[in-house]
Amino acid sequence: EVQLVESGGGLVQPGGSLRLSCAASQFTFSGHWMSWVRQAPGKGLELVAHINPHGGEQSYADSVKGRFTISRDNAKNSLYLQMNSLRAEDTAVYYCARDPYTKVFENWGQGTLVTVSS
Amino acid sequence: EIVLTQSPGTLSLSPGESATLSCRASQSVTSNYLGWYQQKPGQAPRLLIYGASSRATGIPDRFSGSGSGTDFTLTISRLEPEDFAVYYCQQFPPYIFGQGTKLEIK
Repeated sequence: EVQLVESGGGLVQPGGSLRLSCAASQFTFSGHWMSWVRQAPGKGLELVAHINPHGGEQSYADSVKGRFTISRDNAKNSLYLQMNSLRAEDTAVYYCARDPYTKVFENWGQGTLVTVSS
Repeated sequence: EIVLTQSPGTLSLSPGESATLSCRASQSVTSNYLGWYQQKPGQAPRLLIYGASSRATGIPDRFSGSGSGTDFTLTISRLEPEDFAVYYCQQFPPYIFGQGTKLEIK
């Protein structure tokens, strides 16, 4: 069974930084597009960033462009999200998700909560 | 910019009834790259439908998807108590989600 386990969330002050990690297992990680999707409290889903299997192509939501960086380490079966210059509106549960070539998110982690507040 | 609009915002039905959820795109969806998700409180979303009409692994056949172009529908027949949740549609490219439809018990 595919497993995605996020970590690294927490409370951070506005302007601060945080790095999220997602440990993947039970599938060929290096063969899949991976994404970070977030959900603000009581709100809908928003794709934050996604990255191609080899890490050479990334795309970002306009709301995080220039502040967030998605990366991956295929040797470690891990996905990352470096978040800088955090704002209150970045407060959300952040999910790691896998796209199995069908351009939808078949597998999701349990999510990690990021709270940006002073 | 592509926008997905889901309707209704809230749907109140009773167990045993059928639910029809709509997702309308502001532009034609490429290759029917359209998915539907179910989300319950405190849980991650769960993929129900991909390719507009294909059920994901383990999804009961009372869930069905249809549509093409700009208009898509998720139909849930014979509602079970566990089906009451929020439902999202999502298209590609780019990865865009609708705002969700809450299916609540009447």
